[in-house]
Amino acid sequence: QKEVEQDPGPLSVPEGAIVSLNCTYSNSAFQYFMWYRQYSRKGPELLMYTYSSGNKEDGRFTAQVDKSSKYISLFIRDSQPSDSATYLCAMSLYNNNDMRFGAGTRLTVKP
Amino acid sequence: DAGVTQSPTHLIKTRGQQVTLRCSPKSGHDTVSWYQQALGQGPQFIFQYYEEEERQRGNFPDRFSGHQFPNYSSELNVNALLLGDSALYLCASSLIDEQFFGPGTRLTVL
Repeated sequence: QKEVEQDPGPLSVPEGAIVSLNCTYSNSAFQYFMWYRQYSRKGPELLMYTYSSGNKEDGRFTAQVDKSSKYISLFIRDSQPSDSATYLCAMSLYNNNDMRFGAGTRLTVKP
Repeated sequence: DAGVTQSPTHLIKTRGQQVTLRCSPKSGHDTVSWYQQALGQGPQFIFQYYEEEERQRGNFPDRFSGHQFPNYSSELNVNALLLGDSALYLCASSLIDEQFFGPGTRLTVL
């Protein structure tokens, strides 16, 4: 079993849809949770950074962490074609520590 | 602010050769981490440098080594290249918490 599981997709939605991306993990000691967006042949771009359980909102993006279920989610509201990318979840035991990544979910938002 | 920069952008090597990749962190950042990303996979942690010392290391062989300079820039060296070393090599810099990635160096080993 991988330490971080993420459905690779691909996921295709129409413009304006609400997108839900998810990851599960096996190590209950993870405390820091991140979501990165990666465009083709580019480096990952940090979208959300959260500590412990709960919700965090930033514009059209909402990150949720449920530590009891070892499950994290990223919601994208009013999705745009420019959101088409691979979304990577990541988590770490300590702050500014080595991150464990999921395999990434490829998202396409169709106009 | 230039952000994290990496050089070169692309590199082609043959098996058995050695390679050096370079990273300049975001302004004000003192910690540099290196990751390897194989095609279709998430990045895997190689090691992290802070105050010119390797602070943490992932599950990579000794063929992978690094260095951090007094200006916080860093190098990743890979010896005795294998075909399986072909990947995107990412550098991430940080100060306290959030890690910001550079565009990566794409290494192809033939």
